[in-house]
Amino acid sequence: DAGITQSPRHKVTETGTPVTLRCHQTENHRYMYWYRQDPGHGLRLIHYSYGVKDTDKGEVSDGYSVSRSKTEDFLLTLESATSSQTSVYFCATNKRGPELNYGYTFGSGTRLTVV
Amino acid sequence: QKEVEQDPGPLSVPEGAIVSLNCTYSNSAFQYFMWYRQYSRKGPELLMYTYSSGNKEDGRFTAQVDKSSKYISLFIRDSQPSDSATYLCAILLTQGGSEKLVFGKGTKLTVNP
Repeated sequence: DAGITQSPRHKVTETGTPVTLRCHQTENHRYMYWYRQDPGHGLRLIHYSYGVKDTDKGEVSDGYSVSRSKTEDFLLTLESATSSQTSVYFCATNKRGPELNYGYTFGSGTRLTVV
Repeated sequence: QKEVEQDPGPLSVPEGAIVSLNCTYSNSAFQYFMWYRQYSRKGPELLMYTYSSGNKEDGRFTAQVDKSSKYISLFIRDSQPSDSATYLCAILLTQGGSEKLVFGKGTKLTVNP
């Protein structure tokens, strides 16, 4: 997990409250991703970013928004948390070069519980 | 048909056994093939990465890709208790600057001393 820090590591929140998760990288990678991991579903992409202020939706983006104002920070916001958003959230970065792809590096995760 | 299928296991083997983990995929346009290892309460870490058919070896680990059958495998030789983890296959498609990475659901492996 060197170079990627997720905060907080654990959070319990109430239904209907907004929640922001933070991902900070020191790798200077252009591409960043937010995934959620749930039993029976595996890892699913929520949103991703391909540069500062450049973001796009993944397969499970409803109820989530993201922002990237600096290369090193990628924020995931749950606008109004619901129990279905209880999950483990992972941030990832990708060192990509011309014609090459080196695979994704993941953070340690944020365990979010919505009660 | 799911894009990537992986037997969830769980798989339990004695120390020293050879382990075979497998995934199938449906989209022949997938280009990069990866295996991740995830320890309990940790993030996935990249274990093996390849983009061509055939075998790639790294120590006790061998990744095998058969594009004609759309089948990928990870072999672990002389398995150790420290190999106990969930193993995720992941397959990447890149197209015109965009990309799509699809994960299998993972196989939980336990290596018993």
